[in-house]
Amino acid sequence: DQQVKQNSPSLSVQEGRISILNCDYTNSMFDYFLWYKKYPAEGPTFLISISSIKDKNEDGRFTVFLNKSAKHLSLHIVPSQPGDSAVYFCAASTAYAGKSTFGDGTTLTVKP
Amino acid sequence: NAGVTQTPKFRILKIGQSMTLQCTQDMNHNYMYWYRQDPGMGLKLIYYSVGAGITDKGEVPNGYNVSRSTTEDFPLRLELAAPSQTSVYFCASSSKRFVGTAVSQPQHFGDGTRLSIL
Repeated sequence: DQQVKQNSPSLSVQEGRISILNCDYTNSMFDYFLWYKKYPAEGPTFLISISSIKDKNEDGRFTVFLNKSAKHLSLHIVPSQPGDSAVYFCAASTAYAGKSTFGDGTTLTVKP
Repeated sequence: NAGVTQTPKFRILKIGQSMTLQCTQDMNHNYMYWYRQDPGMGLKLIYYSVGAGITDKGEVPNGYNVSRSTTEDFPLRLELAAPSQTSVYFCASSSKRFVGTAVSQPQHFGDGTRLSIL
């Protein structure tokens, strides 16, 4: 039973446009959500996060939105740049667990 | 600042051989993790540790062992390697921070070990 799902394996957008990556979760105990970015032959790097007490967190071109009632979060990248092309992983954690559960990732391709 | 260092970067093993994947971090993080990533899949947690001397199983622990004798090091041991263990292995570390009542633990990852078992 996959508790964190990224239903779109891939996404392609034009440079300068908005990229929207989606993530759904099933465990209502999750209270912290993170996005990681991964380039080939490198480890994932932390991008942005959000606590369940918020519905939006913004950091430069990156914004994460959380809809707790729908158990859904999304990552918006505006404007998208070719250097944003990577695999994006959604992850979720609970207050008492010392670990996160990851989705399968979405490969974003930003075309010049 | 090296962060999380994994060795080796690549390794080919024969079925039945054993090996240890090394992981060390220099950020004084209490939490450390081992993941495997199979092609087209996400990260599956193998084992994790919340501090020296304390380890616990993740989602896919079978065929692996870990130890945590120091804060810095968290080696992963494969005994009797099998083709199903062909994967990319990532080590990560984090510290525990509270954001309101939630626990914020962004993880810092190494660059992985690509392991093939033939």
